[in-house]
Amino acid sequence: DIQVTQSPSTLSASVGDRVTMTCRASQSVSIWLAWYQQKPGKAPKLLIYKASSLESGVPSRFSGSGSGTEFTLTISSLQPDDFATYYCQQYNGYPWMFGQGTKVEIK
Amino acid sequence: QVLLVQSGAEVKKPGASVTISCQASGYTLTSFYMHWVRQAPGQGLEWVAMINTGAGSTAYARKLQGRVTVTRDTSANIVFMELTGLRPEDTAVYYCARPARCSTTSCSNYFDSWGQGTQVSVSS
Repeated sequence: DIQVTQSPSTLSASVGDRVTMTCRASQSVSIWLAWYQQKPGKAPKLLIYKASSLESGVPSRFSGSGSGTEFTLTISSLQPDDFATYYCQQYNGYPWMFGQGTKVEIK
Repeated sequence: QVLLVQSGAEVKKPGASVTISCQASGYTLTSFYMHWVRQAPGQGLEWVAMINTGAGSTAYARKLQGRVTVTRDTSANIVFMELTGLRPEDTAVYYCARPARCSTTSCSNYFDSWGQGTQVSVSS
């Protein structure tokens, strides 16, 4: 099975900061990687698919990059609404694994 | 618009079984697979199962194989997930999730539509 690892597990930042988090797959998933945002008590929300494609309605301060085994999610200027937990998910094939999450908290 | 509405919270004893439903509306159920994802308290997301709602074929997480079964009722636009032999570590919020894109032969299995979640608590 392809394992998916995110880093860091927690990230402390301030409003306006540029924030970057990483997702690594144990073997190549090509560009078949998605990013989600989750807030407490809510279902995840799709942000990015196909590694770098922005989901409709998602602010342009979110961007994704990478291919193969290493991927990044960047928030160009952190907003108050962005404090949440972020998950990556590989969808290259079964099983459709998620990373363990990166929590973005207020510094 | 696409809407996935799940059944209500369940409290079960170890060894019991639970069945959760996911009522789909706003699209044709058989045009998209359906997945189940769970989240234990304070933990991350864990993929559980998938059903090809057209063909009825399924795929399950290896750690749950033999205990989880996903079925669908296409006439009622509803998908069910049954988990048997419940253990305390099965305590979690269970979500149904629909892939964003499907063709006639397959789906890109990332998820743009989610149910509201169903809390399953297992305790003696």
